[in-house]
Amino acid sequence: EAQVTQNPRYLITVTGKKLTVTCSQNMNHEYMSWYRQDPGLGLRQIYYSMNVEVTDKGDVPEGYKVSRKEKRNFPLILESPSPNQTSLYFCASKTSGASYEQYFGPGTRLTVT
Amino acid sequence: GQNIDQPTEMTATEGAIVQINCTYQTSGFNGLFWYQQHAGEAPTFLSYNVLDGLEEKGRFSSFLSRSKGYSYLLLKELQMKDSASYLCAVRDRSGYALNFGKGTSLLVTP
Repeated sequence: EAQVTQNPRYLITVTGKKLTVTCSQNMNHEYMSWYRQDPGLGLRQIYYSMNVEVTDKGDVPEGYKVSRKEKRNFPLILESPSPNQTSLYFCASKTSGASYEQYFGPGTRLTVT
Repeated sequence: GQNIDQPTEMTATEGAIVQINCTYQTSGFNGLFWYQQHAGEAPTFLSYNVLDGLEEKGRFSSFLSRSKGYSYLLLKELQMKDSASYLCAVRDRSGYALNFGKGTSLLVTP
């Protein structure tokens, strides 16, 4: 089954404790992206990657890091999480070509206390 | 940058028709998408418009006017399960990045 998976789905952590949220897709998509979704603010892009070893900042990259060493994986790293990073995070992927939609993972609900 | 506006909330009755509007101001345009998102779940793709006009897909239709920076999503024969948030998203000139509006929360009542 074609899908985007994220782990963990739910995470409660404390300020300053490094964490990684994994994202993997099995559709051989070139493009992958991370979003955060907050009430009243909608979906905002954190980072994106157009292919292996090619990443770029989205609208809200501060406090986050990403890497794209393999085509299928695009982990999101929070080196020192803070409470304002409490949010619902979505990973998405798409193939090349403007007309193709993005496929979203199931989401990771992160709480930083 | 992109500025995408859509109403925050709408209410409609089961069996009726509802139109959700989206206006955008962008520095580049490479297509407009509509997504549906149920609470706590991932967005799912509904429609894509890149040329002016109406695209119909079953009970859902989407319209685009590039000159007016305007799109709408039309939902017919509303069902209770259509209660969800509807997200308008504009693809920028790179052909990759999606910029989302804040979403319209639709409540379908009996």
